[in-house]
Amino acid sequence: KQEVTQIPAALSVPEGENLVLNCSFTDSAIYNLQWFRQDPGKGLTSLLLIQSSQREQTSGRLNASLDKSSGRSTLYIAASQPGDSATYLCAVRAWGAGNNRKLIWGLGTSLAVNP
Amino acid sequence: DVKVTQSSRYLVKRTGEKVFLECVQDMDHENMFWYRQDPGLGLRLIYFSYDVKMKEKGDIPEGYSVSREKKERFSLILESASTNQTSMYLCASSRGTGNTEAFFGQGTRLTVV
Repeated sequence: KQEVTQIPAALSVPEGENLVLNCSFTDSAIYNLQWFRQDPGKGLTSLLLIQSSQREQTSGRLNASLDKSSGRSTLYIAASQPGDSATYLCAVRAWGAGNNRKLIWGLGTSLAVNP
Repeated sequence: DVKVTQSSRYLVKRTGEKVFLECVQDMDHENMFWYRQDPGLGLRLIYFSYDVKMKEKGDIPEGYSVSREKKERFSLILESASTNQTSMYLCASSRGTGNTEAFFGQGTRLTVV
């Protein structure tokens, strides 16, 4: 059964730091992996989607990598800003007919970037 | 821009009421999902639909039902609201194949009193 873990659960950094958020999954047979951002009391915003055949995706200051063999993905945030403060969630879509309809979720990393 | 719209941001309902949460997407996505989110428990899938009139139970379907009569609209129904259904409800949609990036609505904070 696929399980997704995000460590750490919470992170506090000073403004300007480069930081890495981690996501690990137990079954390497994935269709894709997606990173989301959630602000308090709001819905989720899609940040990056990595297909199983890809190694990384970039959007602005964000870079997400995928290593299926080790069951890991990292979200790299460069030059962090207070506006990056939010909860970051990763979700894995499993491989296989029917299975790839559902996302398996981590519990998220709550990030605080201090001015 | 993909848009997923939930009918209400905040709702307060009484115990025993029948509650309808509506979700509409404008990208012709095959898949639509209803989740609830609670502190410490993360996102839990209630129901999802992969086509019009098609639905599958998620991890916590008890006390809920769904309706998908049109491709763009997916409704979540609380048959008889209870206080333990107080939660944040999130709707999402995605394509069925290829680029299956999921997009979410803004969420509905439901309080049952």
